Amino acid sequence: KAGVTQTPRYLIKTRGQQVTLSCSPISGHRSVSWYQQTPGQGLQFLFEYFSETQRNKGNFPGRFSGRQFSNSRSEMNVSTLELGDSALYLCASSLPSGKNEQYFGPGTRLTVT
Amino acid sequence: GENVEQHPSTLSVQEGDSAVIKCTYSDSASNYFPWYKQELGKRPQLIIDIRSNVGEKKDQRIAVTLNKTAKHFSLHITETQPEDSAVYFCAASTGANNLFFGTGTRLTVIP
Repeated sequence: KAGVTQTPRYLIKTRGQQVTLSCSPISGHRSVSWYQQTPGQGLQFLFEYFSETQRNKGNFPGRFSGRQFSNSRSEMNVSTLELGDSALYLCASSLPSGKNEQYFGPGTRLTVT
Repeated sequence: GENVEQHPSTLSVQEGDSAVIKCTYSDSASNYFPWYKQELGKRPQLIIDIRSNVGEKKDQRIAVTLNKTAKHFSLHITETQPEDSAVYFCAASTGANNLFFGTGTRLTVIP
């Protein structure tokens, strides 16, 4: 099976702009979680989508949002970008059975200038 | 919310020696504890996990132990090899697909 894929892999944006990142889960996985990884804050949970519904949400401002499509692909959007949003954004997919094993994609490296 | 602490932040061992990384968690409702290995520039890879109904789990040179009473869990790597060099993250979850991660341990195995 193909692994989790994310596009784009690298992105450079300017403060104030918005960005959309995409994640395609492993075939058969219906849960997609998003994480932000920075040197200062480490790996932090953003939100989780299952069956096109947000099921869990971390402590991030409303500028961070997401959605999931019927084929389980997910997108996250960050509006009004700030310098502090520069990070590696990782998505992880898992089966919906509650086994909780999450498999990560390669990430999207976002740089805000 | 859950708070996961991880120690040490850096660890250097000689090839062939053992390495131990320790984590503590705060939420007694947490019941799933995975460990991830992240090499430079790569994605975190799940290497082993343990659930709260088990005290220890082994997979070849890697083992994880869990003490629910003390709320701590540890990763043990035996017979370390240079390819074990990476950053290791522990995490905890209450069962939903939201992992709370430790701050990571940079393991260096010296040949």
